Formats: sequence, structure tokens, C-alpha cells
Amino acid sequence: DIQMTQSPSSLSASVGDRVTITCRASQDIRNSLAWYQQKSEKAPKSLIYFVSTLESGVPSRFSGSGSGTDFTLTISGLQPEDFGTYYCQQYNSYPYTFGQGTKLEIK
Amino acid sequence: EVQLLESGGDLVQPGGSLRLSCAASGFTFNTYAMSWVRQAPGKGLEWVSSIDFRGLRTDYADSVKGRFTISRDNSKSTLYLEMNSLRAEDTAVYYCARHKVILKEHFQHWGQGTLVTVSS
Repeated sequence: DIQMTQSPSSLSASVGDRVTITCRASQDIRNSLAWYQQKSEKAPKSLIYFVSTLESGVPSRFSGSGSGTDFTLTISGLQPEDFGTYYCQQYNSYPYTFGQGTKLEIK
Repeated sequence: EVQLLESGGDLVQPGGSLRLSCAASGFTFNTYAMSWVRQAPGKGLEWVSSIDFRGLRTDYADSVKGRFTISRDNSKSTLYLEMNSLRAEDTAVYYCARHKVILKEHFQHWGQGTLVTVSS
């Protein structure tokens, strides 16, 4: 199975900050990498897929980058509504696997 | 608007069975792959099972293989998850998710989830 490791597990940042979350895959996932946001254990929301493609309606302050095994989610200009837990996920091969999550708190 | 509405979650004893349903609307159900993803209380997301648009290909996590069965009725725009031999570790919120289109794409839309509790 492909292991997905996110860091940090949690972070606290201020409105306007630039925030970076990293995700490392245990093997090459050929850019089949998505990011999801979940608030208070409600339904996850898809933010980014294929590493860097934003879902329709997702603010442009969210961006994704990386390739192969190392990926990054960046929020440029953090907003109060960005709190929640962020998960990366690989869909290159079964079993599809998620990172353990990064809990983002707004100071 | 894409809508996915799960139902069927309940309190069940270990060894029991349950069938979850996911009613889809707002899109042409029979052209999209679908999946179930679960989340144990206070834990992260875990993929459970996937099915292609025709219902001919299915895949399962090792943790549920042989106990769970995914299926779909395209005439009713409904996805199912038949769960047998339930264990305490199956306790979770179960989400229905629609792939962007095919199986090898991400989960673009999610339902609100239905809670399954396995306990005596």
C-alpha cells in the first residue's frame, strides 16, 4: 500500500498568513494527488486534484504543487473560513490512501 | 446541483449486518464511478470500496474484503453498501462519494454521511 504522510499534524496561523502543508507519498503516484478540506467532521470538500488543478469555486488563494512523491498545499492570505482539517489523498493505485490530516486553527 | 444522500446507518451488534444506501441526484448517475469512504470517530478518512459506472468492476479495502459488498442500481440512481459480519472497528461515519468521472480520478463530490455504530 502507498503510505501518505502529511506534515505538520496541526498548526495555528493568523489571518493573512501564508500556510504550507506538505504531503509525501511512499512511492511515485504519478501526480494522482488530491487535497480535501473538512470542517468539524462534516463532509469533506474537494479543493485540488491532479496536484494543482483547483475545483470550480475554490478561491485562488489555494494552490497545489509538487510531483512524484512530494506535494504541497499552500494557502496564500489565510482567511477565517479556512479553519479545518486538510487531507491529501492518492488515487494512482488501490487501495486509495489518505494522509493522516493537518488540523489548521486560526489564531 | 450534485446531491448525495446516504441512509441506513444504525446501531448494530457485532456480527450483525446493515445495508447503506446513497441516493444520487443532479447528475447522470450511470456515467460516474462511485465510492464509499469512512471516518471512525476522531480519526482520519479511510477508503472502503469503489465501483465503476456500469457496476462491473469493484474494489475493496483489505479491512472489509469478504464482508462488504458494493453495488449500484443505475435505474434508481442509488449506490449501496452491504455490510456483514460487522466489527467494533467498523464503527464510523460512512460517506458516499462521486468520482470526477472514472475510477482513477479523485472524489469530487461527497454526501453528508451516515453513522454506523457496532456495539453490544
